[in-house]
Amino acid sequence: GAGVSQSPSNKVTEKGKDVELRCDPISGHTALYWYRQSLGQGLEFLIYFQGNSAPDKSGLPSDRFSAERTGGSVSTLTIQRTQQEDSAVYLCASSLWELSYEQYFGPGTRLTVT
Amino acid sequence: AQSVSQHNHHVILSEAASLELGCNYSYGGTVNLFWYVQYPGQHLQLLLKYFSGDPLVKGIKGFEAEFIKSKFSFNLRKPSVQWSDTAEYFCAVNAVDSNYQLIWGAGTKLIIKP
Repeated sequence: GAGVSQSPSNKVTEKGKDVELRCDPISGHTALYWYRQSLGQGLEFLIYFQGNSAPDKSGLPSDRFSAERTGGSVSTLTIQRTQQEDSAVYLCASSLWELSYEQYFGPGTRLTVT
Repeated sequence: AQSVSQHNHHVILSEAASLELGCNYSYGGTVNLFWYVQYPGQHLQLLLKYFSGDPLVKGIKGFEAEFIKSKFSFNLRKPSVQWSDTAEYFCAVNAVDSNYQLIWGAGTKLIIKP
């Protein structure tokens, strides 16, 4: 079946603009995760959804970052008033349920803030 | 706070050489352990995992990893690497009695010279 998809694959934006990143998880996967991967760094956890609710938003780096998930499926990560330090690859992953730990990753969105 | 250390950020080997990538974590309780791989231009994908039982686990493409609880380690090994093993390798740890989160190492870039 189809894997996790993310759009856009690349996004270049000017500092101060808002961006929306989209994730389509694998059908039937109830858990969805957002990560950020900066150059030379491991994966930084941002937020996690179980169904449509986000029990853990602890990784969001600032109040400029928000995310939502609708219909237990698609999720959108929004970054307002982007800054250059937001430049990174944003990865989405899904898993069958919360405790499965085996996460299936999308290809990522490479965000460049100029 | 829990952390995962991957000691080598870059490793360069010739084909047929043996490989060992180090992974150490800091958590005294029960853990689930993972190695993920990201081939050039591809998604992160699960290479192998340890939940319980035999501490020597085998994954895809001839990789294996050994969980040594006393050393808090989960090193990845392959007896004879191929050019196609060129990729970035990430170790990840879940603290079972903590939460669902995976804590990630910074990754090791492996380059195999043909």
